Amino acid sequence: QVQLVQSGAEVKKPGASVKVSCKASGYIFINNAVHWVRQAPGQGLEWMGWINAGNGNTKYSQKFQGRVSITRDTSATTAYMELSSLTSEDTALYYCAREWNYDWFDPWGQGTLVTVSS
Amino acid sequence: SYEVTQPLSVSVALGQTARITCGGTNIANKNVHWYQQKPGQAPVVVIYKNTHRPSGIPERFSGFNSGNTATLTISRAQAGDEADYYCQVWDSSTAIFGGGTKLTVL
Repeated sequence: QVQLVQSGAEVKKPGASVKVSCKASGYIFINNAVHWVRQAPGQGLEWMGWINAGNGNTKYSQKFQGRVSITRDTSATTAYMELSSLTSEDTALYYCAREWNYDWFDPWGQGTLVTVSS
Repeated sequence: SYEVTQPLSVSVALGQTARITCGGTNIANKNVHWYQQKPGQAPVVVIYKNTHRPSGIPERFSGFNSGNTATLTISRAQAGDEADYYCQVWDSSTAIFGGGTKLTVL
């Protein structure tokens, strides 16, 4: 079955960077974009950006432009999201999701908790 | 930039019909997708492209999109339908989520 499995929880200090991975299986990785969405504690969903897994093209939310980098390794069928210059406001669950039919997100990864604390 | 608005909360009696709205300027010109998120779980799509229901989603879930409002309808609401629901659209290759609606089944 189609599955996205993300890396484990991270604890980072302010100013540091974090890199979260998203391992895809059950479908042809290069055929679909992978998106990253985050959710702060008790808050809603916030889209961060996406990568075309085929050609590596990316697009980022203006809010995170310059601070986020989404990459992929096609041989490992894995997408990565790196966020730099972390502050406490970056404490959140980070999800990856496959874009299906160039439109909606299905499925989602299980989420990776990133905690930023001194 | 485009914005979509959802009510913070909706309550429904067990077995009755719940309606969750997603408002946006001329939202009828966009495809609206709906996600259900239960506590401690990742979101799951329950309606895609306004009206389509993925396999495995009960027929009690339906969607409609017209004018400036898209609506997710949950008929014969069950306790298991309690969750947060998010609408999502695209605008200039950017995904836009509504703020989410907490559905409470009384």
